[in-house]
Amino acid sequence: NAGVTQTPKFQVLKTGQSMTLQCAQDMNHEYMSWYRQDPGMGLRLIHYSVGAGITDQGEVPNGYNVSRSTTEDFPLRLLSAAPSQTSVYFCASRNPGLSSGANVLTFGAGSRLTVL
Amino acid sequence: GESVGLHLPTLSVQEGDNSIINCAYSNSASDYFIWYKQESGKGPQFIIDIRSNMDKRQGQRVTVLLNKTVKHLSLQIAATQPGDSAVYFCAETRDGTSYGKLTFGQGTILTVHP
Repeated sequence: NAGVTQTPKFQVLKTGQSMTLQCAQDMNHEYMSWYRQDPGMGLRLIHYSVGAGITDQGEVPNGYNVSRSTTEDFPLRLLSAAPSQTSVYFCASRNPGLSSGANVLTFGAGSRLTVL
Repeated sequence: GESVGLHLPTLSVQEGDNSIINCAYSNSASDYFIWYKQESGKGPQFIIDIRSNMDKRQGQRVTVLLNKTVKHLSLQIAATQPGDSAVYFCAETRDGTSYGKLTFGQGTILTVHP
């Protein structure tokens, strides 16, 4: 299936546990990013990557790590989960460029994480 | 920091009516705006975009209007259908430096009654 694939769709963790949210895209997009979505709020950027080997922090990076070893994959790691990280996480990708529609992010279906 | 916001968190309309969803942005450097639709349990889906050198853009049943003077944009949906029920987000960015970094508004819940 073409697009952005996220796994798992649902996950429950205990405080202090670690886990990795997986994200893969098959559109050969250079740019990938992770957002979190909390009730009553828009999506907030956690980390982003402009290409393999290059990552940077977004608006809310604390408690999360990322790496980009390949163009296709952009995993998000929670090192020590906290209840404040209970959220829905979205991975997105796009290609660079300034033509119309180039900034249109393609989103995955989301991963719902609950930290107890 | 600067952000994008929405005036109305909820909007209820009757099937067949036209819907207007509003969005205010505060970053005067923003030059590219996107509307997304998010259905329950799904990721946001692109609806329509507009650049700051335009004040209106039309798609299929949707129109986006941009007023840079008052930093406001709106999404108009013609002949609203039950399938249009969703949360609608506006997002803004500075096109040349965004690297896929969008700033989203909080969202408006659109409910269409048959």
